[in-house]
Amino acid sequence: KNQVEQSPQSLIILEGKNCTLQCNYTVSPFSNLRWYKQDTGRGPVSLTIMTFSENTKSNGRYTATLDADTKQSSLHITASQLSDSASYICVVSAGSQAGTALIFGKGTTLSVSS
Amino acid sequence: DGGITQSPKYLFRKEGQNVTLSCEQNLNHDAMYWYRQDPGQGLRLIYYSQIVNDFQKGDIAEGYSVSREKKESFPLTVTSAQKNPTAFYLCASSTTRQGAVQPQHFGDGTRLSIL
Repeated sequence: KNQVEQSPQSLIILEGKNCTLQCNYTVSPFSNLRWYKQDTGRGPVSLTIMTFSENTKSNGRYTATLDADTKQSSLHITASQLSDSASYICVVSAGSQAGTALIFGKGTTLSVSS
Repeated sequence: DGGITQSPKYLFRKEGQNVTLSCEQNLNHDAMYWYRQDPGQGLRLIYYSQIVNDFQKGDIAEGYSVSREKKESFPLTVTSAQKNPTAFYLCASSTTRQGAVQPQHFGDGTRLSIL
């Protein structure tokens, strides 16, 4: 069964600190892995997309890594800000065509406090 | 600015009533999607459309219907047959262009509740 598991479920950190969110998947065949940020009451916004051949991708203070052998991905947030408080969703795709099943994780809720 | 507009932001449904959620995009994307988001769960696909006048069922299509008469618009109707409609509904779009993988762009959702 195709699954995406994210950990931790929730996380609280102090402003300025770094953190790492984890994503393990069992999706086959694998095409690409996406990280989205979802603010409360808003739609998800894409942070990164990585294909099989990519093992790291950055978007500002966000850096995603992918280990296709162990089927694990992480999202590292550097020097956190209050605006980083959101849900972070890991999504794995079995294909690049529209309509290809996207398997969504349940998300990690990050709270950054001052 | 290009984007996806969902309306209304909040919607209330009475027993036995059908309600329609609007989704409009000006990104010139061919593909559009409807997802349902429940607390503590990942997004689940309701319907998707790759081209005008064509759409396919997703994982949880029962109790929902859609139409795609225009490229820009993909409305979702929640029918009275959907017994548990309370959820956050998200519309998304993406290009179907061959080549680099493109992300789905999401609207800001409609929160549907039962009266």
